[in-house]
Formats: sequence, C-alpha cells, structure tokens
Amino acid sequence: DAGVIQSPRHEVTEMGQEVTLRCKPISGHDYLFWYRQTMMRGLELLIYFNNNVPIDDSGMPEDRFSAKMPNASFSTLKIQPSEPRDSAVYFCASSSPGPSTDTQYFGPGTRLTVL
Amino acid sequence: KQEVTQIPAALSVPEGENLVLNCSFTDSAIYNLQWFRQDPGKGLTSLLLIQSSQREQTSGRLNASLDKSSGRSTLYIAASQPGDSATYLCAVYDYGGATNKLIFGTGTLLAVQP
Repeated sequence: DAGVIQSPRHEVTEMGQEVTLRCKPISGHDYLFWYRQTMMRGLELLIYFNNNVPIDDSGMPEDRFSAKMPNASFSTLKIQPSEPRDSAVYFCASSSPGPSTDTQYFGPGTRLTVL
Repeated sequence: KQEVTQIPAALSVPEGENLVLNCSFTDSAIYNLQWFRQDPGKGLTSLLLIQSSQREQTSGRLNASLDKSSGRSTLYIAASQPGDSATYLCAVYDYGGATNKLIFGTGTLLAVQP
C-alpha cells in the first residue's frame, strides 16, 4: 500500500485566497483524521471521520475551515478565506478498526504558507 | 483537560549511549498511549502503542513503559545510533465521552552524534 497520500506537499498563497488540501487514506481504513502542527501549539486534531461521517469537529478553529469526505478514498480540508495565522503543516491520518485501539498512519503533510 | 508534557525538550547524546525519554499526562483515564517518531519535513511514524491494560511494549531497541496511576510513560532507546535522530512524540487517547482523540505532547528533539 502506498500509505496515506496528501496533496499538495507545499502550498503558498496570499491572504484571502481559498485553499484546498487533499487526502487519500489507506484503503480499508474506516477512520480519517485531519491535524494541524505549529511551533506554538504542537499537533492538534481538527476533525475526524468514521465511515465518511464527521464525528468530532470540535478542533476546527473557526467557520473559515471546512472538511468533507465524499467517499471512503478521498477527503478535503478547505480554508476560505485564508489568513497568515493559518500557516502550518496539515497532516492527514487514517486508522482501522478504531481511533483508540489501533495505530494511526500519517501522511507526509502539506506545508501551508499564507502571505 | 488532558495535558501531555515531554521532558527534555531536546537531547544530544553520543552514539552508543542508552537513553530515556519521558512523557507525563495529567488525567490517568486514557485508552492507550502511543510513541511516534517524526523526521524533519516528514509525517509521523508510529513506534509503539501501549494499551491501558499493559505495562510495556518492546520493539527492537525500543522499550516503552506505561504507569497510568502516576501519569507517566518512558521510551527507552538502547545503543543509540545517528539514524535515531528525530523528534519523538508521545500521545494519549483521551476518553471524552462519546468521542476520543489523540492528545500529543510537544516532543523531544533527539540528536545522536556519531
């Protein structure tokens, strides 16, 4: 298996622009997680899905952030409009059978820079 | 609110030395604890997962222990090698009612000098 795939690997955009990050989980994994990593706050869970359904989005910082999982093999995290404070590395991870009983496998991350 | 702390924040050791990384958490009601490794510019790789009913897990030169009552875990690395240089993160699955999530520590940056 190719592991968790994320695209793009790097994104540089200007404040106010829309940003879409993409993730393909490992085939057969039922859970998908979006994390954000910054120097100040470390790694934080933004949202996670089970069988394509959002379960906990309490970590989503504000309404400018939205995430979707239209099918078992694809998820997006969208920021609109983007702000400089959104600059971070965004990771996608997947696991099976459960978030607290099995290992999460992380993608390589998307490094987002908002100017 | 669960908080996870890792000490030290950074560590530099000569090759061959045995070392211990520390992780502490404030709420002992956890499902399990995981140790991850993160290389610069890369994602996280799971090293060891310890279920709440277990005391330790071993994989090769790595041994992780868990003491829920004291809210502590240690990662022991034997005979360190330059290839072990990375950031090591511990994370706990926090029981939060209907949902549960990984709470990460801030990490220990390890440098093993050849």
